[in-house]
Amino acid sequence: DVVMTQSPLSLPVTLGQPASISCKSSQSLVYSDGNTYLNWFQQRPGQSPRRLIYKISNRDSGVPDRFSGSGSGTDFTLKISRVEAEDVGVYYCMQGTHWPPYTFGQGTKLEIK
Amino acid sequence: QVQLVESGGGLVKPGGSLRLSCAASGFTFSDYYMSWIRQAPGKGLEWVSFISTRSSYTTYVDSVRGRFTISRDDAKNSLFLQMNSLGVEDTAVYYCARGTREPSDWGQGALVTVSS
Repeated sequence: DVVMTQSPLSLPVTLGQPASISCKSSQSLVYSDGNTYLNWFQQRPGQSPRRLIYKISNRDSGVPDRFSGSGSGTDFTLKISRVEAEDVGVYYCMQGTHWPPYTFGQGTKLEIK
Repeated sequence: QVQLVESGGGLVKPGGSLRLSCAASGFTFSDYYMSWIRQAPGKGLEWVSFISTRSSYTTYVDSVRGRFTISRDDAKNSLFLQMNSLGVEDTAVYYCARGTREPSDWGQGALVTVSS
């Protein structure tokens, strides 16, 4: 299985300050079609996961532009330019390149300092 | 708007069975691969299974293969997960999701508790 390793696992952030989450995969996530299937999800307390970013850097409709994704190959990053109170939750990266199975990172819990 | 609504969760004894359903609306269900993903209490996310369009291909994570069966009814815009020989390790919230490599929409989840 492809192992997705996130860091940090806990991320206390002051409101209005930036935040960054790293996600590293144990294998390259470049698929045979040339795409890299790396997604980011947000799970607010008591809610289902919500996709924020797909194919490394494509933001979903309705996702604020303070969220951005970057990276390539095995190293990826989710950045929040200015953290707001509604950003509290757990963030997961997920690879959709190698099956079986598609795999998630352990999750990064973002809280307000 | 896309809606996915799971049902069928509950408490079951070890070795028992349960069938989850997911009712889809707001999109052309038959055009999409569909997935089941689970989350044990207080834990992370784990892929369980997915099914192709026209049910031509199904696949499972090793831990459920031979015990779980995914299916779909395109006429009823519904996705199913038949779970047999359940163990305590299967206790989780089960989400249905639209898509596979990039699951774009998720339901609210159905809680399955396996306990004696």
